[in-house]
Amino acid sequence: KQEVTQIPAALSVPEGENLVLNCSFTDSAIYNLQWFRQDPGKGLTSLLLIQSSQREQTSGRLNASLDKSSGRSTLYIAASQPGDSATYLCAVRRTSGTYKYIFGTGTRLKVLA
Amino acid sequence: EPEVTQTPSHQVTQMGQEVILRCVPISNHLYFYWYRQILGQKVEFLVSFYNNEISEKSEIFDDQFSVERPDGSNFTLKIRSTKLEDSAMYFCASTGTGGSVQYFGAGTRLSVL
Repeated sequence: KQEVTQIPAALSVPEGENLVLNCSFTDSAIYNLQWFRQDPGKGLTSLLLIQSSQREQTSGRLNASLDKSSGRSTLYIAASQPGDSATYLCAVRRTSGTYKYIFGTGTRLKVLA
Repeated sequence: EPEVTQTPSHQVTQMGQEVILRCVPISNHLYFYWYRQILGQKVEFLVSFYNNEISEKSEIFDDQFSVERPDGSNFTLKIRSTKLEDSAMYFCASTGTGGSVQYFGAGTRLSVL
């Protein structure tokens, strides 16, 4: 059974710092992995989608990497800003044949001005 | 930018009552999903829907739950007889193709009293 864990559960950093959020999953047979952002009381916004054949994806100040063999993904945020404060969720989809995502518990990020 | 729309944003109901949560997926999308998030817990998959039928469902999605696409634009989740433990945020999502990004709505907060 696929389990997704995110460390740390919460993180508080001063503005301008570069930071790394970690996601690990127990079953390496994944189809793809998505990183989401969730603001309090709001829905989920997809940040990056990495297919199983890819090693990383970049969007602006965000870079996500994927190491399937070790069951890990990292989300790197460069030059953090107070507007980055949110909960970041990673979710994995198993190999083709299922459409559901298994979510981690998230990392709650606070960037201090 | 196209978005997934959910109504209502907050639904309060009495235990045992039926509720219908409504979603308008992105117009050219073909795959539709419901997830839920109990306060403080992970986002959990409920059901996926494609070509007018359920393609996958979780163990949570028992006989009390049903989904429907009553017309070309709406996608609904019905809970026949609500329980206290159904209180959660319910998210609708859609994708254009099975392997691409899932776009989530802002959610409906269901409170069962």
